Amino acid sequence: KAGVTQTPRYLIKTRGQQVTLSCSPISGHRSVSWYQQTPGQGLQFLFEYFSETQRNKGNFPGRFSGRQFSNSRSEMNVSTLELGDSALYLCASSLRPAGGYGNTIYFGEGSWLTVV
Amino acid sequence: QKEVEQNSGPLSVPEGAIASLNCTYSDRGSQSFFWYRQYSGKSPELIMFIYSNGDKEDGRFTAQLNKASQYVSLLIRDSQPSDSATYLCAVNMGNRDDKIIFGKGTRLHILP
Repeated sequence: KAGVTQTPRYLIKTRGQQVTLSCSPISGHRSVSWYQQTPGQGLQFLFEYFSETQRNKGNFPGRFSGRQFSNSRSEMNVSTLELGDSALYLCASSLRPAGGYGNTIYFGEGSWLTVV
Repeated sequence: QKEVEQNSGPLSVPEGAIASLNCTYSDRGSQSFFWYRQYSGKSPELIMFIYSNGDKEDGRFTAQLNKASQYVSLLIRDSQPSDSATYLCAVNMGNRDDKIIFGKGTRLHILP
């Protein structure tokens, strides 16, 4: 059974550009959560999608957005990139809504974004 | 502010000894608790989850949960150099929020 797949794995962008990251969840999983990880702040929750609907959102500016498709694949977009957006972006999938009792989330390998 | 707190470490433990990692959380409504291991440059991988008060054992790993004290811990017996990693505690934020929030992690270093 394939795990969570994230693309691209590595990318370099310039300040002011935008970026789109993609995540394919484990087959059968309907929830996709996105996290940003930096050395100073650790893993910070961005948002979660379940059945194409955003269920939860973290404390990030509106430049960070996402969506989920009918096949449960998800994308996140960051517009007007800033140097501070350089981070590892992790996608995690689960069968049921993340955080629900008895539910666990599984991570992809992540997308390393460097903003220069 | 709902949060999960861990000592950042590094925690240095001799090979073969017991490593004890601790985590406290702020939301009394939390029901699900997870430990993830993350090697440098890699993504977090699930080690254990625990939902009920008490101990849960899986091989060399034991998770301990005390909801009254809002405290969860991970014990690693017979520590190996391959256990050197950052350990992340994760907690669901109660029934209505249903987010999973992570602590910043504890760096564990097993001394050969």
